[in-house]
Amino acid sequence: QVQLQESGPGLVKPSGTLSLTCTVSGGSIGNSHWWGWVRQSPEKGLEWIGEIYPSGTINYNPSLKSRVTISVDKSKNQFSLKLSSVTAADTAIYYCARDKFSGLYAHDAFDIWGQGTMVTVSS
Amino acid sequence: DVQMTQSPSTLSASVGDRVTITCRASQSISSWLAWYQLKPGKAPKLLIYKASNLESGVPSRFSGSGSGTEFTLTVSSLQPDDFATYYCQQYKTYPWTFGQGTKVEIK
Repeated sequence: QVQLQESGPGLVKPSGTLSLTCTVSGGSIGNSHWWGWVRQSPEKGLEWIGEIYPSGTINYNPSLKSRVTISVDKSKNQFSLKLSSVTAADTAIYYCARDKFSGLYAHDAFDIWGQGTMVTVSS
Repeated sequence: DVQMTQSPSTLSASVGDRVTITCRASQSISSWLAWYQLKPGKAPKLLIYKASNLESGVPSRFSGSGSGTEFTLTVSSLQPDDFATYYCQQYKTYPWTFGQGTKVEIK
């Protein structure tokens, strides 16, 4: 069955860029499903960051849009998150997740999640 | 953004209890609502999608209902593995938004 695993630095300096990768195993990113990022912090709870469809269509949360980049590398079966100009407010557990619906023009719940990776923003 | 409000924030219950969690949306989201179970250090688990559809592999003691702006998650007989935090999420309107969570504790 499809599994997701987040990876990346656990500590990022203020004003730096947070970079995370989600590796898909047990299946292919292929050309289906939306793939997304969600974070969890005590202050904001769960927050949707954005999503990408393998064809390259991307949607971002407007609250983060100016700082976020999501990309996909189908050859490596991975998708990635970059968040620039980070502050302590970006300290959170970051999850990658798959949309249950396989098509481009609709959505459903997130049916598969990674275990999450803790990222701390601190000097 | 669509605001999702869950109640209660914390719920103390015993094994075998029937528990109900409520989620209210600030505007109609039809049935575009999911419920998740979160435990520390584990991948979040989808329980219910489209308000009332049980995800494959999820025990039938979990059920969801509602449409429009008011939704409920019910656990008919709480089991030891069910002590966790539960979140609702709307996926009708971007940006997707989540409730603040309901922690189910052992009484």
